[in-house]
Amino acid sequence: DQQVKQNSPSLSVQEGRISILNCDYTNSMFDYFLWYKKYPAEGPTFLISISSIKDKNEDGRFTVFLNKSAKHLSLHIVPSQPGDSAVYFCAASARNTDKLIFGTGTRLQVFP
Amino acid sequence: DSGVTQTPKHLITATGQRVTLRCSPRSGDLSVYWYQQSLDQGLQFLIQYYNGEERAKGNILERFSAQQFPDLHSELNLSSLELGDSALYFCASTIAGGSNYGYTFGSGTRLTVV
Repeated sequence: DQQVKQNSPSLSVQEGRISILNCDYTNSMFDYFLWYKKYPAEGPTFLISISSIKDKNEDGRFTVFLNKSAKHLSLHIVPSQPGDSAVYFCAASARNTDKLIFGTGTRLQVFP
Repeated sequence: DSGVTQTPKHLITATGQRVTLRCSPRSGDLSVYWYQQSLDQGLQFLIQYYNGEERAKGNILERFSAQQFPDLHSELNLSSLELGDSALYFCASTIAGGSNYGYTFGSGTRLTVV
C-alpha cells in the first residue's frame, strides 16, 4: 500500500519556467511533509518541509503548497535552472512516529 | 560530504551469500535509519535505531538484521541473498528520534546480487 504517491515519474521544463511537482497521500495521520532532491550517485538531500498547520512554505525559489482536504502537496520551483535537474522525492511522517514514508520520486529535467 | 558515511559504495555478491553494510552517522546524531531503494521504487523504510536500541521497524525481511553499536555506527546484515535484494541501500541519521529534525543521508551502498 503506497501511502505517498508521486504519479508523474518524469517532468521536463524549460529553463526559466516554473516546475510543479505533485504528491498525493492517503494517510490522514500524516502531519509533516518534506521534499528531498537526489542527484545520481548521491544520497537524497533535504530541500523544504511543511507542517500540517500551514498551507504554504517558501524558501527562495522553492515553495511547497499543502492542501489537506485533498491530501495533496506540490513543490513549485521558480525560475527553474538546469542545476535543478534531479529526482525529487516527497516524504511524509505521522505524529509520534520517527519514520519518513517516501514516494517513488519524479525525475525533473530542466533544459536550456 | 553530508557527514554520513556508508561503506562499501559498491558490492557485488552471489545468491545465497551474506553481506554487511556499514553506516557512520553524522557527528552528534543519535538516530540511524536504513532505507532500500529498488529499481523504479521509492525509498522503503527498513529499520531505525536510536542510541543503540531498535526504535521502529518497517518492511524488513527476516533475512535482514541490523544493529547500532556504542559508538553509534550501524550495520545492516543481509543474508541468504536473492537476486531481488539488488538495490541501493541508504543510511540516514538525525540528531534525535524524529523526522521533523530532517534526515541526513549517506551516498548509499549499491548491492548487486548475481
